[in-house]
Amino acid sequence: AQSVTQPDIHITVSEGASLELRCNYSYGATPYLFWYVQSPGQGLQLLLKYFSGDTLVQGIKGFEAEFKRSQSSFNLRKPSVHWSDAAEYFCAVSASGGSYIPTFGRGTSLIVHP
Amino acid sequence: NAGVTQTPKFQVLKTGQSMTLQCAQDMNHEYMSWYRQDPGMGLRLIHYSVGAGITDQGEVPNGYNVSRSTTEDFPLRLLSAAPSQTSVYFCASSSLAGSTDTQYFGPGTRLTVL
Repeated sequence: AQSVTQPDIHITVSEGASLELRCNYSYGATPYLFWYVQSPGQGLQLLLKYFSGDTLVQGIKGFEAEFKRSQSSFNLRKPSVHWSDAAEYFCAVSASGGSYIPTFGRGTSLIVHP
Repeated sequence: NAGVTQTPKFQVLKTGQSMTLQCAQDMNHEYMSWYRQDPGMGLRLIHYSVGAGITDQGEVPNGYNVSRSTTEDFPLRLLSAAPSQTSVYFCASSSLAGSTDTQYFGPGTRLTVL
């Protein structure tokens, strides 16, 4: 069965600083990987996803993520954080074969200081 | 398109009461699911459905029932509410239950059981 680990519960950055949120997955074959963002009081919204091809994936709101098979990672990055990026971020994995039900990580809460 | 809608947005119940959380989508998605979100626990799958008339249990199904009589609607029933069911509930949908498909989330229902 697949699993997802987001090792950081909270991340604090200053506005304008760069950001990297970590995500590690466990799955035997090629996974399908997602990052979702949840603004306060809202549902989750897809930022980006990877399922094949270029391992550097561009998403909405200036985010990108890089799939590294050797490290079983799919870290989310942004070069310059805005105050509006403060939110909860979830990494998710779906199996490329078999179960299609996504598994979500526990989330990382991003705090942005002015 | 309204996307995924959930009602009510907030609900307070007393222990032992029953209620139904409503979820509807207008995207003709076959796959629908219910999650609960608790602090530090991420999203946990309660029940899911791959089409009208087909439902299955997720990770935490106890105390909840679902049915799927139409493609559009996927209500979640709490049979006898308990304080442990205090949580935020999210409904999600996607097309064809494909591993690469984006999950579309509703805005959530915040439930408190006293």
